[in-house]
Amino acid sequence: DSGVTQTPKHLITATGQRVTLRCSPRSGDLSVYWYQQSLDQGLQFLIQYYNGEERAKGNILERFSAQQFPDLHSELNLSSLELGDSALYFCASSPRQGDGYTFGSGTRLTVV
Amino acid sequence: GQSLEQPSEVTAVEGAIVQINCTYQTSGFYGLSWYQQHDGGAPTFLSYNALDGLEETGRFSSFLSRSDSYGYLLLQELQMKDSASYFCAVINQAGTALIFGKGTTLSVSS
Repeated sequence: DSGVTQTPKHLITATGQRVTLRCSPRSGDLSVYWYQQSLDQGLQFLIQYYNGEERAKGNILERFSAQQFPDLHSELNLSSLELGDSALYFCASSPRQGDGYTFGSGTRLTVV
Repeated sequence: GQSLEQPSEVTAVEGAIVQINCTYQTSGFYGLSWYQQHDGGAPTFLSYNALDGLEETGRFSSFLSRSDSYGYLLLQELQMKDSASYFCAVINQAGTALIFGKGTTLSVSS
């Protein structure tokens, strides 16, 4: 157990639907990062939060949004889902920005 | 922006030594990190180089040359369990998040 908890582990949904992925960071970590990993692709940076505030955006689609709550857990919302959104979605946390990442085990999203 | 280049695949046999190269382009360089990911699993941190030179951690070593914008991960005494994907990463321009390369798949055979 890495200390970063992601739920659910698997999610199957239909095109056009909306889903929410949840991440609880490691205790004491203030930064949360979301990454998307498609089949045979690298880790695409989506968005970062630090202590409740958005700090950086990567290749995140407008259909996607995220937030970090006062208890530091984070949620990634994916809407108007398309087949191409099928991927592994990883959350990572760190005590400092940009360093010392601990990844969760990921949520495997399948859009049918 | 940032970009990283690394080979897509590398193959080797048990007991051998393999080197995975990474070249990068970035503004405001903070350091080069390496992560390992077994199939479908969570990426795990291997090493971090902020300064030029070689960092050794057991069977794994990582090297950085900032003047060449180049680094490598050296894996010695390869074992079957080393079969995995290896990613190099640099911190983004804002200095807040890691940007990863596309990864190198290492296959170790007996």
